[in-house]
Amino acid sequence: KNQVEQSPQSLIILEGKNCTLQCNYTVSPFSNLRWYKQDTGRGPVSLTIMTFSENTKSNGRYTATLDADTKQSSLHITASQLSDSASYICVVSGDDKIIFGKGTRLHILP
Amino acid sequence: KAGVTQTPRYLIKTRGQQVTLSCSPISGHRSVSWYQQTPGQGLQFLFEYFSETQRNKGNFPGRFSGRQFSNSRSEMNVSTLELGDSALYLCASSLRLVGQQTGNTIYFGEGSWLTVV
Repeated sequence: KNQVEQSPQSLIILEGKNCTLQCNYTVSPFSNLRWYKQDTGRGPVSLTIMTFSENTKSNGRYTATLDADTKQSSLHITASQLSDSASYICVVSGDDKIIFGKGTRLHILP
Repeated sequence: KAGVTQTPRYLIKTRGQQVTLSCSPISGHRSVSWYQQTPGQGLQFLFEYFSETQRNKGNFPGRFSGRQFSNSRSEMNVSTLELGDSALYLCASSLRLVGQQTGNTIYFGEGSWLTVV
């Protein structure tokens, strides 16, 4: 069954700290993996997109990694800011399928 | 360049009614896809249109339908509304089909909040 599992479900960290969010998938065939940031009440905004041949992709303080062999991805946020408080959604595509994880809700405390 | 525009932003309907939501994609984008987002289920894919043809469909009942016009604008319709249809409905546009590879960023609109009472 095609699934995308994200962990943790929610996370609270202090401003300035780093954190890592996880995404495991069983989608096959695999085309690409994307990370999105979604602020409350807003549409998701693309952070990174990676194909199977890409191991890492950065976007400012956000760095995504992909291990296509183990079907795992992570999103690392460096020096967190209050504006990073949001849901982070992992999305895996393949052929005509697009499967969403349920997201990790990140809270940054001052 | 203007982003993906969805209207209306908020709406309230009663059970049994029908609703039509509208989406204007980014200029030049030919793929428009629709998603339902609820707290319990997260984001779920409804369907995707490309050049006025439905190319892919998620696992939703036939009450959910859509169409795409020659200018790539799209509408989705939900008939015989149920309480469980209350959700944020998101539209997204991209140059190519959502399942395709590199360089195909999917851009989301801000969504239409539907409440069914």
